[in-house]
Amino acid sequence: DTGVSQDPRHKITKRGQNVTFRCDPISEHNRLYWYRQTLGQGPEFLTYFQNEAQLEKSRLLSDRFSAERPKGSFSTLEIQRTEQGDSAMYLCASSSVGTRNTGELFFGEGSRLTVL
Amino acid sequence: AQSVAQPEDQVNVAEGNPLTVKCTYSVSGNPYLFWYVQYPNRGLQFLLKYITGDNLVKGSYGFEAEFNKSQTSFHLKKPSALVSDSALYFCAVRDGGSYIPTFGRGTSLIVHP
Repeated sequence: DTGVSQDPRHKITKRGQNVTFRCDPISEHNRLYWYRQTLGQGPEFLTYFQNEAQLEKSRLLSDRFSAERPKGSFSTLEIQRTEQGDSAMYLCASSSVGTRNTGELFFGEGSRLTVL
Repeated sequence: AQSVAQPEDQVNVAEGNPLTVKCTYSVSGNPYLFWYVQYPNRGLQFLLKYITGDNLVKGSYGFEAEFNKSQTSFHLKKPSALVSDSALYFCAVRDGGSYIPTFGRGTSLIVHP
């Protein structure tokens, strides 16, 4: 399967613990996005990479959140000192850059975080 | 700034009837418009997009959408609904100069047998 994959699919943790999510984009895609989705809401933008460069971060992304894409391939999203308000689905998406790119995103299945 | 409004939290339609899911948008430049569908516990799947050209765009699973610049709308339509179309539908917009789409809150489509 050459789609976007995310791991783990579900993470349950206690408040104050750190968690890390991984995203493997479609191999030829050089743009990678992280979004957060809570129940009854649409996806909210968190951050965006083009290759290994993190080009934009939302104000939603507090200091406890950090994202990396060290080699321009997979990406990790780490949440430190988790809070109950961090409980959400974390979605990763990728897209390609090119003359025919019109920007549709290809999403993974998401990583659901539950903070107890 | 860019934004999307989906005025209906839920749309109910009988199988075989036409369906419409509404979306209005706001951008400062030329809009790039998208519809995505989300099934339970799954990621979002791309359905269709409008970038330029014909105002009526066709996408996956028999869906289509009509771009109306004067009304800043991009409503999703299907001539004949299926029970299997029941899902969450998200409209998204980005300004032509941005690579980050903004999503609406979503509309739950329920198709009754």
